[in-house]
Amino acid sequence: SAVISQKPSRDICQRGTSLTIQCQVDSQVTMMFWYRQQPGQSLTLIATANQGSEATYESGFVIDKFPISRPNLTFSTLTVSNMSPEDSSIYLCSVKGGSGGGEQYFGPGTRLTVT
Amino acid sequence: ILNVEQSPQSLHVQEGDSTNFTCSFPSSNFYALHWYRWETAKSPEALFVMTLNGDEKKKGRISATLNTKEGYSYLYIKGSQPEDSATYLCAFPPGKSTFGDGTTLTVKP
Repeated sequence: SAVISQKPSRDICQRGTSLTIQCQVDSQVTMMFWYRQQPGQSLTLIATANQGSEATYESGFVIDKFPISRPNLTFSTLTVSNMSPEDSSIYLCSVKGGSGGGEQYFGPGTRLTVT
Repeated sequence: ILNVEQSPQSLHVQEGDSTNFTCSFPSSNFYALHWYRWETAKSPEALFVMTLNGDEKKKGRISATLNTKEGYSYLYIKGSQPEDSATYLCAFPPGKSTFGDGTTLTVKP
């Protein structure tokens, strides 16, 4: 299993500002995943962050809006830029377990409200 | 885009009731199905990894079955307790898992 921490746990931000979310894992992992859950919707993958290369973004998500850093094998940040109320969501980082079953471990999430 | 559907969207039961809900997924190119429990203010937690048709897995009062030919999995909770209140998600790998919208269970004491 993996233990994942995220900071901040929640924030209320003004429209037009940016917020950087940090994710720390207690073990070295190749891939880290960033998800969001908008109110009433399912978990949606934003991007996959690989150490030493550019993040891979899913359809509908772009680097200018959600820049990601992955400076080492245990840490990643996701920035939500130029926020609007539509960015109000829970943001989670995740890694895959090593058991071979492919299950994922998640951080506790960052609950973001944009006013 | 993979279509993973869960039903019902929400469920309210009394303590002691048994309940079940469904996850439907594409039956072709099956790899595995994951069930997660997501309690409010906590991390989603992996419950089961289902890989074989006919699989039945159990953890305490919670169990899950898998039918890969018809593309569904059931999650059962026997004798629901208030601490079972959570959103139950299924996810369909491989690679980038596609998550269903979840079933939110509320167990009233």
